[in-house]
Amino acid sequence: TQLLEQSPQFLSIQEGENLTVYCNSSSVFSSLQWYRQEPGEGPVLLVTVVTGGEVKKLKRLTFQFGDARKDSSLHITAAQPGDTGLYLCAGANAGNNRKLIWGLGTSLAVNP
Amino acid sequence: EPEVTQTPSHQVTQMGQEVILRCVPISNHLYFYWYRQILGQKVEFLVSFYNNEISEKSEIFDDQFSVERPDGSNFTLKIRSTKLEDSAMYFCASTQDRVYGYTFGSGTRLTVV
Repeated sequence: TQLLEQSPQFLSIQEGENLTVYCNSSSVFSSLQWYRQEPGEGPVLLVTVVTGGEVKKLKRLTFQFGDARKDSSLHITAAQPGDTGLYLCAGANAGNNRKLIWGLGTSLAVNP
Repeated sequence: EPEVTQTPSHQVTQMGQEVILRCVPISNHLYFYWYRQILGQKVEFLVSFYNNEISEKSEIFDDQFSVERPDGSNFTLKIRSTKLEDSAMYFCASTQDRVYGYTFGSGTRLTVV
């Protein structure tokens, strides 16, 4: 059974601070996706990483896929209150259907 | 920005009743999925659908569940006889190529009483 563990589960920081969220598994994934979910809404895709060691940047967000394609991290620089939300990682399996295996999420609160 | 549209946004039903959750995926997408999220728990895969047939289903997707794409645009999830434990947010998702991410709808909150 493939599992994704996210840490920390909750994070409360002050505006301007940096933070890193981790997504770890013992399984290899063909790709790993990061989503952001607001209460009562569906997940919204932030980025997909496909290649081991890949780094992608989205403004103040930096996403990294581990060399072995088992783990990933999300780093936010100079966090802002607008970054507040639930961040989910999801791994796509190597099968033809690419169903997603999800982490439980990191709930981030950025205080002004 | 193309969207995946789900209706209704909320549904309350009595235990044992049938419900149909509706989704309109993005028009040029080829792969369709249903996921659900019980409050406070992980998002769970239910079923994937490609080329007008189920390509994979999870253990959750038992005989009480079915999916259809009746007219080339709508994608429905039917639960024949709802149970209390079916209460959850149900999300529809679609993708064109399965590699670069999925577009999710806003979900249907199903409450079984």
